[in-house]
Amino acid sequence: QVQLVESGGGVVQPGRSLRLSCAASGFTFSSYGMHWVRQAPGKGLEWVAVISYDGSNKYYADSVKGRFTISRDNSKNTLYLQMNSLRAEDTAVYYCAKDLWELLLENAFDIWGQGTMVTVSS
Amino acid sequence: SSELTQDPAVSVALGQTVRITCQGDSLRSYYASWYQQKPGQAPVLVIYGKNNRPSGIPDRFSGSSSGNTASLTITGAQAEDEADYYCNSRDSSANVVFGGGTKLTVL
Repeated sequence: QVQLVESGGGVVQPGRSLRLSCAASGFTFSSYGMHWVRQAPGKGLEWVAVISYDGSNKYYADSVKGRFTISRDNSKNTLYLQMNSLRAEDTAVYYCAKDLWELLLENAFDIWGQGTMVTVSS
Repeated sequence: SSELTQDPAVSVALGQTVRITCQGDSLRSYYASWYQQKPGQAPVLVIYGKNNRPSGIPDRFSGSSSGNTASLTITGAQAEDEADYYCNSRDSSANVVFGGGTKLTVL
């Protein structure tokens, strides 16, 4: 079945780095844009970043620009989020999500992972 | 990317109709998508495009848009519809923004 499984979350000190992974299965990963979305405890959804199907285009929320890097390995059906210079306000559940439309970058996310928790604390 | 504004909370009597709105300048150019999120679960896409439902979403969910406002309507709300609802939209550079969310209570 179509599935996204995140991993790599944990507790990290402010200023340190963490890399999240999202393993995809059940669909042609290399044909779809992929997103990261986060949700701080008790708060709403916040879009973080998107990468096009071939990795050629990447866009970021202002809150993470210059600190986070989205990437993908289509040979491994895996999406990544490299998070550097982490801050307390980056504490959240991080979800990866698949774009509905093949080859396009849109705002309809039809498949979501279960999320991985990142806690930034000393 | 511009902001999207949602009412924080809305309530509806069981079996009645409720409209959840989302306002923002980007909605003049791009359709909103709508997501349902229940406690402890990942969001689920319920409406996208002009008024499209993914497979498995009941037809009591519908979407509409006018000017800078998008709406999600639940016709005949059920107890299982109690959840948080989020809209999102995009800009010309594929940046995405989410609304703050609306907590729906079914009375």
